[in-house]
Amino acid sequence: TQLLEQSPQFLSIQEGENLTVYCNSSSVFSSLQWYRQEPGEGPVLLVTVVTGGEVKKLKRLTFQFGDARKDSSLHITAAQPGDTGLYLCAGERDFNKFYFGSGTKLNVKP
Amino acid sequence: SQTIHQWPATLVQPVGSPLSLECTVEGTSNPNLYWYRQAAGRGLQLLFYSVGIGQISSEVPQNLSASRPQDRQFILSSKKLLLSDSGFYLCAWSLGAEAFFGQGTRLTVV
Repeated sequence: TQLLEQSPQFLSIQEGENLTVYCNSSSVFSSLQWYRQEPGEGPVLLVTVVTGGEVKKLKRLTFQFGDARKDSSLHITAAQPGDTGLYLCAGERDFNKFYFGSGTKLNVKP
Repeated sequence: SQTIHQWPATLVQPVGSPLSLECTVEGTSNPNLYWYRQAAGRGLQLLFYSVGIGQISSEVPQNLSASRPQDRQFILSSKKLLLSDSGFYLCAWSLGAEAFFGQGTRLTVV
C-alpha cells in the first residue's frame, strides 16, 4: 500500500506550457520533499516543505504544502526540455522515515 | 561536504547466489541510513532503516537483510537471490528532514 499517491503518472507537454503535479495522502507528515530523478541515477532533492500552507519557489518551480500537511503540489511555469525527468514526492514521518509517492514521469517536447 | 558512495553500479547475478551491496557516507557522523528499492520508472520502496550501529529496522518482509557494522557503512545482503529481487537499489542518508541518495545499483537476477 502506497502512503502517497501522485498524479498524473505520466505527463507529456510542449515547451512553454505550465503543469502541476499532485501528491496526496490520508496521513500527516512532519515534512515533505520533492525530488527529481534521471534514468539510472539517484533522486536529487529539489525542496523540503515543513509548515502547513508553506509555499516555496525555486526559479520556475513552485511547491506548496497543504494546510493539514497531508498533500503537496509542484507547479512548473513555462516548462523546458531540461525539466524532463521523474518527479517524486516523499513524506517524512515516524522519526525521519521517508515514504515515497509513485512518481510522475514528465516529458517536455521542444 | 557530505558524500555517499554506493557500489557496484550494475550487477548481474544468478538465481540462488548471494548478494552484498555496500554503501558508505563521508563527511557526517551518526546519520540515519536507508535502503530503498525502485521498480522501473516508479516510486521508491523503503526496505531498511538504521539509526545507529547494529540497529536495523525492516519495513517489508523479504529475502534481503541489512547490516550496519560501522557508523557510516550500510550493507544490503541476501543468502540466495530470487528473480523477484531484481531492481534498482538505492542507499540514502539523513540527519533530519531531508534524505540524500547514492547513485544506485542496478541488480539483475538471471
